[in-house]
Amino acid sequence: AQSVTQLDSQVPVFEEAPVELRCNYSSSVSVYLFWYVQYPNQGLQLLLKYLSGSTLVESINGFEAEFNKSQTSFHLRKPSVHISDTAEYFCAVSAVNAGNMLTFGGGTRLMVKP
Amino acid sequence: EAQVTQNPRYLITVTGKKLTVTCSQNMNHEYMSWYRQDPGLGLRQIYYSMNVEVTDKGDVPEGYKVSRKEKRNFPLILESPSPNQTSLYFCASSFDRQGSPLHFGNGTRLTVT
Repeated sequence: AQSVTQLDSQVPVFEEAPVELRCNYSSSVSVYLFWYVQYPNQGLQLLLKYLSGSTLVESINGFEAEFNKSQTSFHLRKPSVHISDTAEYFCAVSAVNAGNMLTFGGGTRLMVKP
Repeated sequence: EAQVTQNPRYLITVTGKKLTVTCSQNMNHEYMSWYRQDPGLGLRQIYYSMNVEVTDKGDVPEGYKVSRKEKRNFPLILESPSPNQTSLYFCASSFDRQGSPLHFGNGTRLTVT
């Protein structure tokens, strides 16, 4: 079984400042890793994913995450946030060869202030 | 437009009154799933379906039923709702390939009094 821990339930940050949302996972098998974003009153949308290859993955809107196998982490970063990045972010894992069975973390609410 | 459609968006009901939340997807996805979202707990899987007539329990299946008679539809049934089932529910679907992104509906906020 897998588990996901998002270390911060809320992260307040000023606009144009950098941000890091932390995610650690536990698994006895190899995993795929995902970040989903949830804007107010909406469902979740895939932000980025790591399946294999380069450990640094990027999204189209400037976020990036790095898979660190030794630290079992997949932290999400953005060098300069915008007001529109205000949302809840979920880290998720699925075991390789286990289809699309995702285990989600508890979520981190990113609050970008002007 | 490719989408997952859930209905209703909001539902208030009383303990014991059977209800159904519908979910439909137009992307020909094999895999469909139901989650509940509660503060601080993230999303927890209730049931999932790998294809028509194939369903299985997730992490929190007690008190829920599902069916998958057609590929596009995956309704969630609460035979006798209780207050601890007050939550935000999401339906999601994807192709049955590892790493395929989940597509989520906009959610159903259920209140059981």
